[in-house]
Amino acid sequence: AQSVTQPDIHITVSEGASLELRCNYSYGATPYLFWYVQSPGQGLQLLLKYFSGDTLVQGIKGFEAEFKRSQSSFNLRKPSVHWSDAAEYFCAVGPNDYKLSFGAGTTVTVRA
Amino acid sequence: SAVISQKPSRDICQRGTSLTIQCQVDSQVTMMFWYRQQPGQSLTLIATANQGSEATYESGFVIDKFPISRPNLTFSTLTVSNMSPEDSSIYLCSVSSSGRGEQYFGPGTRLTVT
Repeated sequence: AQSVTQPDIHITVSEGASLELRCNYSYGATPYLFWYVQSPGQGLQLLLKYFSGDTLVQGIKGFEAEFKRSQSSFNLRKPSVHWSDAAEYFCAVGPNDYKLSFGAGTTVTVRA
Repeated sequence: SAVISQKPSRDICQRGTSLTIQCQVDSQVTMMFWYRQQPGQSLTLIATANQGSEATYESGFVIDKFPISRPNLTFSTLTVSNMSPEDSSIYLCSVSSSGRGEQYFGPGTRLTVT
């Protein structure tokens, strides 16, 4: 069965500092991996995705993620956070019969 | 990516009543999904809405409580029936046309049951 673990429930980071969010997955085959962001009161927006090829993928809003098969990880990074990056971030893996499995989410707080 | 709208954006309902949530997509899509997001929680898949056939429900969700319609490739509805305060959640629809699982989400419907 596929599953996703996001070890960090809450991260606080200063504006302008770097950010890394961890994601570990369990999947029986080559995974398709996704990061979504949910700003307060909003739906989920797809930040980036990994299907195959280059293990470092670039997304929107200056985010990137690196797929490491040996570690079963797909960590999300941003070199310099902005106050508008305060949100909930979800890692997802799939598909299993077209369905995705979502992690519990990481809440990011940005302090001035 | 598809543009997805949901109606209503929020509602406050009385216990025992029902609410129908609409999901409209600006293009034809193969798969539509309905999720529930309880306060402070991650997403839980309720069902997959298939055009021209019955929805496929996940464990813990039943058709009598969450009837779903999918009359065409751009529209679906989810009804939350006989509501109780435990049904207070955000309900999100998503769509996918890719076998790789990539999904795009609507803005959600915030439901409060009193």
